[in-house]
Amino acid sequence: ILNVEQSPQSLHVQEGDSTNFTCSFPSSNFYALHWYRWETAKSPEALFVMTLNGDEKKKGRISATLNTKEGYSYLYIKGSQPEDSATYLCALGSASKIIFGSGTRLSIRP
Amino acid sequence: DTAVSQTPKYLVTQMGNDKSIKCEQNLGHDTMYWYKQDSKKFLKIMFSYNNKELIINETVPNRFSPKSPDKAHLNLHINSLELGDSAVYFCASSPPGLAGRTDTQYFGPGTRLTVL
Repeated sequence: ILNVEQSPQSLHVQEGDSTNFTCSFPSSNFYALHWYRWETAKSPEALFVMTLNGDEKKKGRISATLNTKEGYSYLYIKGSQPEDSATYLCALGSASKIIFGSGTRLSIRP
Repeated sequence: DTAVSQTPKYLVTQMGNDKSIKCEQNLGHDTMYWYKQDSKKFLKIMFSYNNKELIINETVPNRFSPKSPDKAHLNLHINSLELGDSAVYFCASSPPGLAGRTDTQYFGPGTRLTVL
């Protein structure tokens, strides 16, 4: 059974601080790792998709890395702002399906 | 312009009723999906359609049936609604390619279904 784990489940960060969280997945049958940002009362929006071991992607203050051999991806947020408050989902695209983790809920304290 | 739209946004109905949720995408994508957000806030895939053909059908009750009249629409019909069907249902689409693998998902706004 393919399982995508995200940690921590929730995170409270002071505005201006940097933070990171983890997505773990089984490294077999890997095709792609997606990160989505999901604000309350909205729908998930794509941040990154990574397919190769060692991939790094960046979008403004947010970046992500991928290690397919050990089965993890990190999402980093530099200089957190209140608008970064959201749930961050990772999803594993495997041979037969796409599986979402339960998300990391990030709250930024002003 | 709305990329992926769902109607209705809210649906409140009695147990035992039959209802439908509609989804339309104007992105020209080949693949569309239905997800259920369960009580623990997990997003779980229910169905995936590629060019009007079913390609993923997760273990969902056969009371749920997807209908794709054309590649821009994927509707979800639910028969004999049960209390446990209460959830938020999200439609999504993805660009041409291998569905569920490398393709970014574009989500609709969700439909909150409440079964009384």
